[in-house]
Amino acid sequence: SYVLTQPPSVSVAPGKTARITCGGNNVGSKSVHWYQQKPGQAPVVVIYYDSDRPSGTPERFSGSNTGNTATLTISRVEAGDEADYYCQVWDSSSDHPAFGGGTKVTVL
Amino acid sequence: QVQLVESGGGVVQPGRSLRLSCEASGFTLSSFAMHWVRQTPGRGLEWVAIISFDVTSKYYADSVKGRFTISRDISKNTLYLQMNSLRPEDTAVYYCARGGLDTSGPFDYWGQGTLVTVSS
Repeated sequence: SYVLTQPPSVSVAPGKTARITCGGNNVGSKSVHWYQQKPGQAPVVVIYYDSDRPSGTPERFSGSNTGNTATLTISRVEAGDEADYYCQVWDSSSDHPAFGGGTKVTVL
Repeated sequence: QVQLVESGGGVVQPGRSLRLSCEASGFTLSSFAMHWVRQTPGRGLEWVAIISFDVTSKYYADSVKGRFTISRDISKNTLYLQMNSLRPEDTAVYYCARGGLDTSGPFDYWGQGTLVTVSS
């Protein structure tokens, strides 16, 4: 099965930029989606198809995907951005979606 | 607006069965792929199963293949997950989530989840 690797945690000061990576073999050839999950809540998609933002996602959130790494960037981080973030792709070789292990973003 | 409401979770002994339901509103199941995703408390997300919008395809995670069955009832606009031969490692919060016509699309709406605990 396809493996997506995320750092377990990222810490960032308010107002700074957080970058969350999602590594996978040639992930740049796949569409990557990003989900934000706050404690006790269901995940919410914040970036889809690598870099598109659903309505309701602040412009501070952006995504990129090239080579073996997809990246979720959160600019001007706010306390409310503290959450777990998961990347996800569809693995066509197994007909399965695959999730990364998740990254906990802590706002210092 | 789009809403997904799961039900059917609870405490069940190993080896027993349970059926989860996910009632959809604000859209029709016949237009979208639907998924079940689970999350062990304090752990990450694990995809469980998908049913395509036209029901021609159903796929399962290896960990549940042969034990779980995904289905839907269009007349009730409800998605189901029949879980048989349950194991302690199936203990998790189970979410239903809406996919798209394209299997590579995102899970754009999620239910609030229902907790399944498998324990003797």
